[in-house]
Amino acid sequence: GAGVSQSPRYKVAKRGQDVALRCDPISGHVSLFWYQQALGQGPEFLTYFQNEAQLDKSGLPSDRFFAERPEGSVSTLKIQRTQQEDSAVYLCATPGVDTGELFFGEGSRLTVL
Amino acid sequence: QKEVEQNSGPLSVPEGAIASLNCTYSDRGSQSFFWYRQYSGKSPELIMSIYSNGDKEDGRFTAQLNKASQYVSLLIRDSQPSDSATYLCAVNIATTSGTYKYIFGTGTRLKVLA
Repeated sequence: GAGVSQSPRYKVAKRGQDVALRCDPISGHVSLFWYQQALGQGPEFLTYFQNEAQLDKSGLPSDRFFAERPEGSVSTLKIQRTQQEDSAVYLCATPGVDTGELFFGEGSRLTVL
Repeated sequence: QKEVEQNSGPLSVPEGAIASLNCTYSDRGSQSFFWYRQYSGKSPELIMSIYSNGDKEDGRFTAQLNKASQYVSLLIRDSQPSDSATYLCAVNIATTSGTYKYIFGTGTRLKVLA
């Protein structure tokens, strides 16, 4: 996805480990979304930022999930004490300024063993 | 009832035929609707957006919106094997906290047979 870079692209974690996934949008994107996509499913909303403010975190599945965007640009999704059900692709997305069309980064594929 | 519903498929069509993909949504207040294509192992790629009732055409793709019936569809004319992918319908909804979010269906897998 143009304008959004995610890292790492692939992450393998042992159950119980903590992981951090990074989203780096091009400058000027006010809004930023995180989604979780399990195999065979559509993206599920996790959380939404407007600049540095996390305005909606209703989709975070448990208190093991934490997201931040301290300077209103780069965002990090942290998952503590990973479980096998956390295995998924984590997608970061930003909307176009005029159209509201949502554009995705390449995603971070997390596999928890 | 899920907020955005799609048949999971697979939908199989012969090369050159028209593929018709359907989506229904539950939030009557939704104003923005999107179709994405997702190849295996890749992130979703925007194909079309539609905001008004009626048809919107872009090349081989036509999006159709009927807000009264809460129904969005995507037609792919002259289907090609390279169109084989999962197609995701998405709706932009307002939240009770005054923000907004995009809700996705589970996707319809399309297979175009050569």
